[in-house]
Amino acid sequence: GENVEQHPSTLSVQEGDSAVIKCTYSDSASNYFPWYKQELGKGPQLIIDIRSNVGEKKDQRIAVTLNKTAKHFSLHITETQPEDSAVYFCAARGTSYDKVIFGPGTSLSVIP
Amino acid sequence: GAGVSQSPSNKVTEKGKDVELRCDPISGHTALYWYRQSLGQGLEFLIYFQGNSAPDKSGLPSDRFSAERTGGSVSTLTIQRTQQEDSAVYLCASSFQQGGETQYFGPGTRLLVL
Repeated sequence: GENVEQHPSTLSVQEGDSAVIKCTYSDSASNYFPWYKQELGKGPQLIIDIRSNVGEKKDQRIAVTLNKTAKHFSLHITETQPEDSAVYFCAARGTSYDKVIFGPGTSLSVIP
Repeated sequence: GAGVSQSPSNKVTEKGKDVELRCDPISGHTALYWYRQSLGQGLEFLIYFQGNSAPDKSGLPSDRFSAERTGGSVSTLTIQRTQQEDSAVYLCASSFQQGGETQYFGPGTRLLVL
């Protein structure tokens, strides 16, 4: 089955700097890669996703890149703000009826 | 519209007692997931319901754990003979699988087994 790894497990950046979180997956059939943000005491919330027919997607300060050959995908947050501090989870999924497999999470701290 | 709701929000129980956790998914969502999240840890997959298909129970950690989904809507996760290591946040998520994959998470039930 699918296995998703995520690095780093913790990340501290100065406000205004960029943050990058990287994930790898094992199942070459996976074609959907969402990213979730979990704030303290809340459930995770989707922030951006990408499909296998796209190499990059941007939404304001957030971008995701996908390298299907290497089975890598990454989250890039630019101009970080304190409210970006949270745990971020990457995930991967195959067909529409497969379950989503989550990475172990990255705790991001943005230092004012 | 209402999101995913879970009840209770907090549950304290004694070791050996049974507990039931409830999840009300978003209306019309065909897929429902249960996850367990220990303090500071990731999302541990427990069980996945998709429409009328047999549920994927591959993540249930022991036979003390079971879940059902009645009428394709509300789901109940039952933990029998609770142990202290069962203490965690139990998260439920639902999605409209056909044509959309976003999982909408509930706020979770915080379970403490004394």
